[in-house]
Amino acid sequence: NAGVTQTPKFRVLKTGQSMTLLCAQDMNHEYMYWYRQDPGMGLRLIHYSVGEGTTAKGEVPDGYNVSRLKKQNFLLGLESAAPSQTSVYFCASSLGQLYTDTQYFGPGTRLTVL
Amino acid sequence: RKEVEQDPGPFNVPEGATVAFNCTYSNSASQSFFWYRQDCRKEPKLLMSVYSSGNEDGRFTAQLNRASQYISLLIRDSKLSDSATYLCVVNQGTGFQKLVFGTGTRLLVSP
Repeated sequence: NAGVTQTPKFRVLKTGQSMTLLCAQDMNHEYMYWYRQDPGMGLRLIHYSVGEGTTAKGEVPDGYNVSRLKKQNFLLGLESAAPSQTSVYFCASSLGQLYTDTQYFGPGTRLTVL
Repeated sequence: RKEVEQDPGPFNVPEGATVAFNCTYSNSASQSFFWYRQDCRKEPKLLMSVYSSGNEDGRFTAQLNRASQYISLLIRDSKLSDSATYLCVVNQGTGFQKLVFGTGTRLLVSP
């Protein structure tokens, strides 16, 4: 049982390049989330999904797209990377119980955009 | 004003000390509350949920004051392994669990 895994762990991009971050969970969780964490700021929600085939915008969705084609996978795409997207990206998953849920986080992807 | 505010610290304490962290939140409609722990360059992990009646898990005690919109975490008999950043987290979701994270309070426990 690996929990939540993220690929890649590190990446350096040039401005304007594109990439996809992959998140996978083996806990059969319904809900999945993408956050970014920047120095001096709390984790901020980018996009989330409440089930296979569904996605929705979070607090900071601009410049990102997501897809949830399979229940266990949640992909985050950057179409044209910008230096402002330099951050640590965390994926999380949870059962989907509104008040008592525990979100389980992946180990993170450290992205630098030059 | 930040939605969830914490003192960033660091709090430097010796082993065996008792230390308390506080957190305030701005949205009175917040539904549930948590403390997460984050080690350096690692992912956040749930430490404990926070209930109105207060709750304890070993050396850790969490309290919630809804009237003052204030959450606390007390750590007794600090261990070296308690050194980490403690994130105050508030659930503001109505249709799903929308977590709002504080920036964290850093704790350093020294021998």
